[in-house]
Amino acid sequence: KAGVTQTPRYLIKTRGQQVTLSCSPISGHRSVSWYQQTPGQGLQFLFEYFSETQRNKGNFPGRFSGRQFSNSRSEMNVSTLELGDSALYLCASSSVTGQANYGYTFGSGTRLTVV
Amino acid sequence: AQSVTQLGSHVSVSEGALVLLRCNYSSSVPPYLFWYVQYPNQGLQLLLKYTSAATLVKGINGFEAEFKKSETSFHLTKPSAHMSDAAEYFCALSNTGNQFYFGTGTSLTVIP
Repeated sequence: KAGVTQTPRYLIKTRGQQVTLSCSPISGHRSVSWYQQTPGQGLQFLFEYFSETQRNKGNFPGRFSGRQFSNSRSEMNVSTLELGDSALYLCASSSVTGQANYGYTFGSGTRLTVV
Repeated sequence: AQSVTQLGSHVSVSEGALVLLRCNYSSSVPPYLFWYVQYPNQGLQLLLKYTSAATLVKGINGFEAEFKKSETSFHLTKPSAHMSDAAEYFCALSNTGNQFYFGTGTSLTVIP
């Protein structure tokens, strides 16, 4: 079956602009999570969506937002971009059943460069 | 509190030598434990996972890990390193709270 698809793979934006990243999870996966990965901070959790509702949120400013659609596809948006937002943004989907997360399947990521 | 600690941010081994990447966890409830591998500019790929069945878990590419409750460890091993094993490795934990906790990663270098 198809994996997690993230688009675009690469983006270059200017400070102050906004950006929208897209993620299509594995068919049947209702949970989608987003992570930011940088060399200095490692993997940092942004937020998780389940059935169109944000269920968990990491410690990021309000410039970072997301949403999930009825088909489980998810988007994340970053407004007023800063140089420090340059990172690899990873989307991961999982087949959460009840209270258990049996593991993520990750997309290949979107490499965002802010200049 | 739940957490994962990976000992050694950088590990170097010779090709053909044993690979041992260390992971210790802290969890107030029985955890699920995972190892992921990441190649440059790629997402994370699942190597193996422990979900309370057999304590010795075999994964892809010849890797395996053993869950040791008494030591709160889940170390990753491979008998013979290959050049293609050079990558970043992440240990992770999840529990009934459906939260995921990642370690800080270990960069594996394989010396020819």
